[in-house]
Amino acid sequence: ENVLTQSPGTLSLSPGEGATLSCRASQTVPGNYLHWYQQKPGQAPRLLIYGASTRATGIPDRFRGSGSGTYFTLTIRRLEPEDFAVYFCQQSGSSPTFGQGTKLDI
Amino acid sequence: QITLKESGPALVKPTQTLTLTCTLSGLSLSSNGVQVGWIRQPPEKAPEWLALIYWDDQKRYRPALKNRLTITQDRSKNQVVLTMTNMAPVDTGTYFCAHSTVASRGGIDHWGPGTRVTVSS
Repeated sequence: ENVLTQSPGTLSLSPGEGATLSCRASQTVPGNYLHWYQQKPGQAPRLLIYGASTRATGIPDRFRGSGSGTYFTLTIRRLEPEDFAVYFCQQSGSSPTFGQGTKLDI
Repeated sequence: QITLKESGPALVKPTQTLTLTCTLSGLSLSSNGVQVGWIRQPPEKAPEWLALIYWDDQKRYRPALKNRLTITQDRSKNQVVLTMTNMAPVDTGTYFCAHSTVASRGGIDHWGPGTRVTVSS
C-alpha cells in the first residue's frame, strides 16, 4: 500500500497569510496521479487539484499544487476565511489511498 | 450537471450485509473514461477508498477488503451498487459515491452527499 503522510497535522494561520501543506508518499506515485481535496464539516470532500498541479473546475488560482515522485505540496496564497478546513491528498494508483489530513485552523 | 446520490440503510447489525446504491444523473455509465467508486469515512478520520468500476466494467477493490466487497453497475438505471458482507462496528462511517475520469487521472470531481451507516446490534 502506498502510504501518504501529510504534514503538518494542524496549521494555525490568519486570513491573508499563505499556507504550504505537504504530502509524502511511501512509494512513487505513478504519472503524478496525486490529488488534493478540501473538506468542511458535514460535507463531502471537494477536488482542488488533480494530477499534482492542475486546478479543478472553479478553483481559484490562489491554490497551487506541485511536486512529483514521492513529495507533493499544496500552496494556498492569501488565505480567505472560507479556506479554513481540512485538506487531504490522495493517490489514484493501482490501490488508491488518502493521507490522514491537515487541518487549517484560524 | 453531474449529480450522485447514495441510498441504503442507516443501521445494520453486525455480520449483516450492507447494500448501497448510487444513482447518477447527468452522465452515462457507458461513456468512455467514466469511473464510479465508493469511499467511506469513519467519524473524525480520513477517507478510505473501497472500490471502483470503470465504463468498460473493469473493477478494482481495496485489497484488505476485497473478499467482502462487490461493485456492480446497472446501466439501464444508471446506478452503481456496492455490497459489503460481514459488517462490523469498525465499518461505521459515512459512505460516499464518487465520480472520476481518466481525464482527471482518477481525481474525484463529483461526490454524492454521503450516507451515514452505523453498525450496531
